[in-house]
Amino acid sequence: DADVTQTPRNRITKTGKRIMLECSQTKGHDRMYWYRQDPGLGLRLIYYSFDVKDINKGEISDGYSVSRQAQAKFSLSLESAIPNQTALYFCATSDPGQNNEKLFFGSGTQLSVL
Amino acid sequence: LAKTTQPISMDSYEGQEVNITCSHNNIATNDYITWYQQFPSQGPRFIIQGYKTKVTNEVASLFIPADRKSSTLSLPRVSLSDTAVYYCLVGDPLPAAGNKLTFGGGTRVLVKP
Repeated sequence: DADVTQTPRNRITKTGKRIMLECSQTKGHDRMYWYRQDPGLGLRLIYYSFDVKDINKGEISDGYSVSRQAQAKFSLSLESAIPNQTALYFCATSDPGQNNEKLFFGSGTQLSVL
Repeated sequence: LAKTTQPISMDSYEGQEVNITCSHNNIATNDYITWYQQFPSQGPRFIIQGYKTKVTNEVASLFIPADRKSSTLSLPRVSLSDTAVYYCLVGDPLPAAGNKLTFGGGTRVLVKP
């Protein structure tokens, strides 16, 4: 969805480096999420935020941190990257105002940790 | 969270109807069933959501039996562009509960000419 923008699209880094993945949205949604997808597997939730002052851990938060700088911006950081964090990362948003809450995803960031 | 089981892959041909069944034996009373579609190198996209019986939109139909322990996504007259991974999710999507939907492994659908 073009309304959810992730940068960079691709990133190669080395073990031990600090990496930040950024997500911005123009949908006006309060809720934002970070997911990780490994080859052939589904998506796993890393962190989610229901508003600017709210941060929650998902299934696999170890080794990651997040920052919700504004309603429109939600960044994911790997403080010290390791090879098993190589994956495709997706940011998503949702609108709590709807009864059938749907997720809207960005195009993903492919991260490779060497 | 209700666990879902769906086939790993399915092959079909252009113009055929594709039916993907998802099992969710432990579905809770407040849980809805939601399906997403994912193309390579893209994020998943919402297709359809339902609670019981049948739901239809311009893209697909969703059939849910009375016991709600399974559901079937039906894609009518598929084309090559329907080749994708389809995810079945079960959870409570209502705002008060927050997003509790969990993605499983999905079903990889390959549409052949």
